[in-house]
Amino acid sequence: DAGVIQSPRHEVTEMGQEVTLRCKPISGHNSLFWYRQTMMRGLELLIYFNNNVPIDDSGMPEDRFSAKMPNASFSTLKIQPSEPRDSAVYFCASSLTGLAGVEQFFGPGTRLTVL
Amino acid sequence: DQQVKQNSPSLSVQEGRISILNCDYTNSMFDYFLWYKKYPAEGPTFLISISSIKDKNEDGRFTVFLNKSAKHLSLHIVPSQPGDSAVYFCAAIIQGAQKLVFGQGTRLTINP
Repeated sequence: DAGVIQSPRHEVTEMGQEVTLRCKPISGHNSLFWYRQTMMRGLELLIYFNNNVPIDDSGMPEDRFSAKMPNASFSTLKIQPSEPRDSAVYFCASSLTGLAGVEQFFGPGTRLTVL
Repeated sequence: DQQVKQNSPSLSVQEGRISILNCDYTNSMFDYFLWYKKYPAEGPTFLISISSIKDKNEDGRFTVFLNKSAKHLSLHIVPSQPGDSAVYFCAAIIQGAQKLVFGQGTRLTINP
């Protein structure tokens, strides 16, 4: 079975532009997580969904960030407008709620560079 | 406030020796702990975990130790191999919740 799929793998954009990151979770998983990795803060949870419903978005840095999960197999993280400080690697992860070990499976990440 | 801390950003170990990665946490409600391993240009992958009802869990070359009174856990890798060179993240969770809280990671380098 395919793992978590993220696209694009790399994104370079200019300040002020809209950026959309995409994620396809593992089939059958009902929880989806968006993380951001930076040198300063490590891996930070931005938002997570359970059964397509946003449960906790307290990690979303500000209103410029938004996330949606229109169905069980797709989620987007949007930044509008983007700023240079948004440059980071963004990971999507999925898990099966209730599975012992609460293991989350990560995608390969999207490296975002905002110039 | 960093609830999970990995105070060593990097660690260098000779091949064949033991690697010990450390992690401290502050939230006494955490009752499940995980280690993830991350190679460059890849996402983190699950390595090993431990429940708070145990103080040790072993899987091959990897052993995780938990000291609840000190709020400290460690990952031992023995013997260390070049393929173990990666960034290791410690994570903690309150079972029943879904939010994994990660440390900042430790970059392990295994020297031949």
